[in-house]
Parts: sequence; structure tokens; C-alpha cells
Amino acid sequence: DAKTTQPNSMESNEEEPVHLPCNHSTISGTDYIHWYRQLPSQGPEYVIHGLTSNVNNRMASLAIAEDRKSSTLILHRATLRDAAVYYCILRNYGQNFVFGPGTRLSVLP
Amino acid sequence: DTGVSQDPRHKITKRGQNVTFRCDPISEHNRLYWYRQTLGQGPEFLTYFQNEAQLEKSRLLSDRFSAERPKGSFSTLEIQRTEQGDSAMYLCASTPRGESIQYFGAGTRLSVL
Repeated sequence: DAKTTQPNSMESNEEEPVHLPCNHSTISGTDYIHWYRQLPSQGPEYVIHGLTSNVNNRMASLAIAEDRKSSTLILHRATLRDAAVYYCILRNYGQNFVFGPGTRLSVLP
Repeated sequence: DTGVSQDPRHKITKRGQNVTFRCDPISEHNRLYWYRQTLGQGPEFLTYFQNEAQLEKSRLLSDRFSAERPKGSFSTLEIQRTEQGDSAMYLCASTPRGESIQYFGAGTRLSVL
């Protein structure tokens, strides 16, 4: 399984942008980059995913480096409800998700 | 609520007892997954169904664990002769045909005393 590396924790101030990094230097050409988050006492929740191009949705943006060896999840304006563990996962077609320990994001009021 | 439903939310049992958890996926989702999550770790894959067929099992799934999805709708996960090391959150997720996004339930937290 391809591996990802994320910081253990990050802090952000409310209403400011947050950039969550993920390194995946061994990514293969057909690996999709997925982001999920897990709020306290809940199951993981899909955030966004992409292959090569940057992606935007109502929750976040995903910026993928040109060599695809790293990516950044961008929350444009953090709220207290965004405090969660964020998981960056590589997944090829037909493979199962392999979750690492993720990044615990704290949002300060 | 039309999300993935898991029951019970919490289960406390004594070592050596059997426990069974239920997962109701989102309607018409053909794929169903079970994960286990311990404190401070991400979820770990246990097993996966496509309709009623169990297509993959992790080596984490010892012979004390069994999962079923008899009619391709709800699924059950049974743990026999529970051990303290089985204490964890057990998560279920489902995926519709042709998609890769997994929709997770809130989980069942098992405590083995």
C-alpha cells in the first residue's frame, strides 16, 4: 500500500484559512488522493478527492503538486466545527482505503 | 436520517462473551465495509462485501470474527470469545455502485472488561 505522511497536529484560528499538507512520494500514476475527516465521536466523513488536477467543492479545495508527490487540503475559512482529524489516503482502483493516524486540527476561537 | 446506521452505539461485555453488531447501509449501496479503530489511530480495514458476497478479509480478522450480509442489505459482525484487545470502535461504511466514496456510520464502541 502506498504511504502518506502528515503532521500529527495543527492549529488554526477561526475564520482563517488552513492548509493541511500531505506527502506521498511513492504515489503511483493511478493512485487517487482522498481526504476524509473525523469529527469527535463520529465516523469519518468524505471531504474531497483528486487525481492530477486541483479540485474544489463546497467543503474544501485540494491542491496537488505537479509531480504528485505532495498535496494540500485547503479549508478556506476555518470554523470551530472543522476541528477534527484529517486523513490523507492514496487509493488505486479496487483497493481498500488504508488510513494513517492523520492530522488533528484544532481551531481556536 | 438516511445515512449508515449502526447498532448498538455502545456495548460493554465481559471477556469470553460473544457480541454481535449490526450495520444498515444507505439504501441501494452495493458495497459494505467493516473497520476497527483504536484510540489515536485511523480506522483499519477488516472486511468488505459486494452485495451478499464477502470479497476480502484482512488478516486482522481472526477466526473469532465473522461477518455476514445475507441478503445484500444489512450486515452483522460477530466476535466470539471476546478478549480485552477487542476493545475498539467498530465502523461500517457503504459505497454506491460506480463510486469510490465511502459513507461511514457513527460506529459501535466495544468495551471488553
